[in-house]
Amino acid sequence: GQQVMQIPQYQHVQEGEDFTTYCNSSTTLSNIQWYKQRPGGHPVFLIQLVKSGEVKKQKRLTFQFGEAKKNSSLHITATQTTDVGTYFCAATTSGTYKYIFGTGTRLKVLA
Amino acid sequence: DTGVSQDPRHKITKRGQNVTFRCDPISEHNRLYWYRQTLGQGPEFLTYFQNEAQLEKSRLLSDRFSAERPKGSFSTLEIQRTEQGDSAMYLCASSLAHGGRANEQFFGPGTRLTVL
Repeated sequence: GQQVMQIPQYQHVQEGEDFTTYCNSSTTLSNIQWYKQRPGGHPVFLIQLVKSGEVKKQKRLTFQFGEAKKNSSLHITATQTTDVGTYFCAATTSGTYKYIFGTGTRLKVLA
Repeated sequence: DTGVSQDPRHKITKRGQNVTFRCDPISEHNRLYWYRQTLGQGPEFLTYFQNEAQLEKSRLLSDRFSAERPKGSFSTLEIQRTEQGDSAMYLCASSLAHGGRANEQFFGPGTRLTVL
């Protein structure tokens, strides 16, 4: 079945450093979403990418969808303690709205 | 409407008992999803509805799991003859099917199930 691999599993950074998480699929994706889940909380939608090569920015967050629509990345510039949480990608393939979530990258930011 | 709500928030049951969870989505949302999440893992897809139609169900889901959305509004997820391996957080999410914010999933707080 479809799988979405996400790396790294954990990342500890000093406040102010940058952070990147990557999502990879062996199959071509229809669209990919990114969510953030704080400890003890539920996933919160961040962004959806649909087009090949698409790049979207939200303040310090930059999201990319690969040209082949098989991978995506989330980059945070100058991390802050409020960025702490687990970041998940969620992807679907053509013809379905079933979303497969990646394993997540847990980010810790050291002040 | 303040968002997706789920009831109960916590459920402790004995192995072999049946449990039912309820999800109330955002009122204008056509799609409703059920996921299961265990510690350190991402949400695992269980099933989704568009209006009252159940369009897809995970092949990983045994026959003990069933979900309904009879009027295209709230949904219930029932687990029969619970097993200890069913212990998890059960998350519901809803989304629009059309428009500029289509597919953006709004999650509820979840129901944490513990099977003793």
